[in-house]
Amino acid sequence: KAGVTQTPRYLIKTRGQQVTLSCSPISGHRSVSWYQQTPGQGLQFLFEYFSETQRNKGNFPGRFSGRQFSNSRSEMNVSTLELGDSALYLCASSFRGRNYGYTFGSGTRLTVV
Amino acid sequence: AQRVTQPEKLLSVFKGAPVELKCNYSYSGSPELFWYVQYSRQRLQLLLRHISRESIKGFTADLNKGETSFHLKKPFAQEEDSAMYYCALSGTQGGSEKLVFGKGTKLTVNP
Repeated sequence: KAGVTQTPRYLIKTRGQQVTLSCSPISGHRSVSWYQQTPGQGLQFLFEYFSETQRNKGNFPGRFSGRQFSNSRSEMNVSTLELGDSALYLCASSFRGRNYGYTFGSGTRLTVV
Repeated sequence: AQRVTQPEKLLSVFKGAPVELKCNYSYSGSPELFWYVQYSRQRLQLLLRHISRESIKGFTADLNKGETSFHLKKPFAQEEDSAMYYCALSGTQGGSEKLVFGKGTKLTVNP
């Protein structure tokens, strides 16, 4: 069974640009969540999608957005990038939601210069 | 507020010694608690859930609602247990349901 796949693995962007990250969950998993991981703040919740609907959202500015497609694949978008957006972005999927445990991807390492 | 505190950033023990990774939480409702682990160069993965009352790789964790703690324990540490451990709480905050992580404890088991 393939795991959670995130693409790309690494990205370097310039301030002010926008970026789209992709996540393919485990087949059959309908819940997808996104986290930002930084050395200072640790793992911070961005949003959770279930069956194409955003179910929950963390405390991030509107520049951070996401969506989920009918095949459960998810994308997150960050517009007007800032230096502070440099982080590892993790995607996690679950068959039934966060209370049953997540399977995480390897992450996308975003560097904003 | 929904908060998870792992007071130790680093923990070092010798092989065969008992190990306890501390986790304290702040939450007004009934929490769902988890331990996740990340081995070197591997993905973050679920270790155990409190609701399952299971023992994984010799690790157990007991929810103590009175002390609002969910410490992870293993009686005899092994070198392969060296990893980053994260405690996490699932709950509702401000109308939003989410899984909140602690900042993690890096466990090193020395030979």
